[in-house]
Amino acid sequence: QKEVEQNSGPLSVPEGAIASLNCTYSDRGSQSFFWYRQYSGKSPELIMFIYSNGDKEDGRFTAQLNKASQYVSLLIRDSQPSDSATYLCAVKIWANNLFFGTGTRLTVIP
Amino acid sequence: EAQVTQNPRYLITVTGKKLTVTCSQNMNHEYMSWYRQDPGLGLRQIYYSMNVEVTDKGDVPEGYKVSRKEKRNFPLILESPSPNQTSLYFCASSSPQGSWTDTQYFGPGTRLTVL
Repeated sequence: QKEVEQNSGPLSVPEGAIASLNCTYSDRGSQSFFWYRQYSGKSPELIMFIYSNGDKEDGRFTAQLNKASQYVSLLIRDSQPSDSATYLCAVKIWANNLFFGTGTRLTVIP
Repeated sequence: EAQVTQNPRYLITVTGKKLTVTCSQNMNHEYMSWYRQDPGLGLRQIYYSMNVEVTDKGDVPEGYKVSRKEKRNFPLILESPSPNQTSLYFCASSSPQGSWTDTQYFGPGTRLTVL
């Protein structure tokens, strides 16, 4: 069973704060990890991916990966109301197939 | 503009009436996939295709068919839709270069209601 677990939320943070989104996965063969953002009724859009242990930064977003703990997270610095969305964690185990978590709903309060 | 398109975007139909949702990409991607998204269940893969004439089942293939006769198109067929297939459907594509970082790009979605 390839499980990707996320806290469904909602996670509420004030504008300007750091939002921390977490994801755990069960398959130790997982090779790369993706974070998508999805606004209500819209399609998922890629934020960033990570495949090496440690941190990867892209603008206000930082992905963190710890393969030993089977844990990946996304930090959003200086959160804005426009960041309010559902964030999907996805894991690639083989070929090009992604396995998605159920998503965490984030609300940024002005 | 590089994109994945789906049609129709919205569809209301009745049980048993065959329907096809089209998906097309203009990025020359080899890999294409269909997902359904339901509240509390997340995105679940229905079928995928690694290349023309190569398709395989995902996690929830029952009640669906696909075909891949050309690289750009990957239609999803519901031969006899049932109410439990009411869902939001997404098509996605990517270019499998053999890299773990190949990313999937999603179409705009098709909201299907089966009465």
